[in-house]
Amino acid sequence: GAVVSQHPSRVICKSGTSVKIECRSLDFQATTMFWYRQFPKQSLMLMATSNEGSKATYEQGVEKDKFLINHASLTLSTLTVTSAHPEDSSFYICSARIPTGTEQFFGPGTRLTVL
Amino acid sequence: GQNIDQPTEMTATEGAIVQINCTYQTSGFNGLFWYQQHAGEAPTFLSYNVLDGLEEKGRFSSFLSRSKGYSYLLLKELQMKDSASYLCAVLDSNYQLIWGAGTKLIIKP
Repeated sequence: GAVVSQHPSRVICKSGTSVKIECRSLDFQATTMFWYRQFPKQSLMLMATSNEGSKATYEQGVEKDKFLINHASLTLSTLTVTSAHPEDSSFYICSARIPTGTEQFFGPGTRLTVL
Repeated sequence: GQNIDQPTEMTATEGAIVQINCTYQTSGFNGLFWYQQHAGEAPTFLSYNVLDGLEEKGRFSSFLSRSKGYSYLLLKELQMKDSASYLCAVLDSNYQLIWGAGTKLIIKP
């Protein structure tokens, strides 16, 4: 099956700093990537849909100026959490969909802890 | 609005069979997914149903009834490693995944 990687897998940062998370599709080209956030004991919450070469579509309630998404190539999307605060601590997961498919392939996730 | 319901938690015994139900109300339907998620890990794909009926894959089977807005995931010969959360997700008319809250399955020896 298709493989999606995420980096870093875990990050701890101080409040006010910015953190960049990378999502890569390793063996396929992904025109669409998705960014999710998951708080403990809760389900996945879609933050934004990222399309290669265009602006991301953000879900209601997600601040686009705080969560910057760049999908510059068919294999790479990045999420930057700007001026992170403790309430941004969460598990961030990306997924990618092949152009002709419906299934989403998930990355392993990034655990963000903001002190 | 869009809604997916599944039980919060279920407990079963090793070697037994368990059925996890999922009901949905969504704007459009382009298929239903079941994912398994172990604590601290990303979801992994289990099954995809777009037509009515039962799809069997080893110890796991998934059933869909589109007219009833209903699906279930059936796990047979339960093993301790099956302890995880099971997420039901529906692909809506915009090809966006709508997620249920997940069912935490606890397997006891």
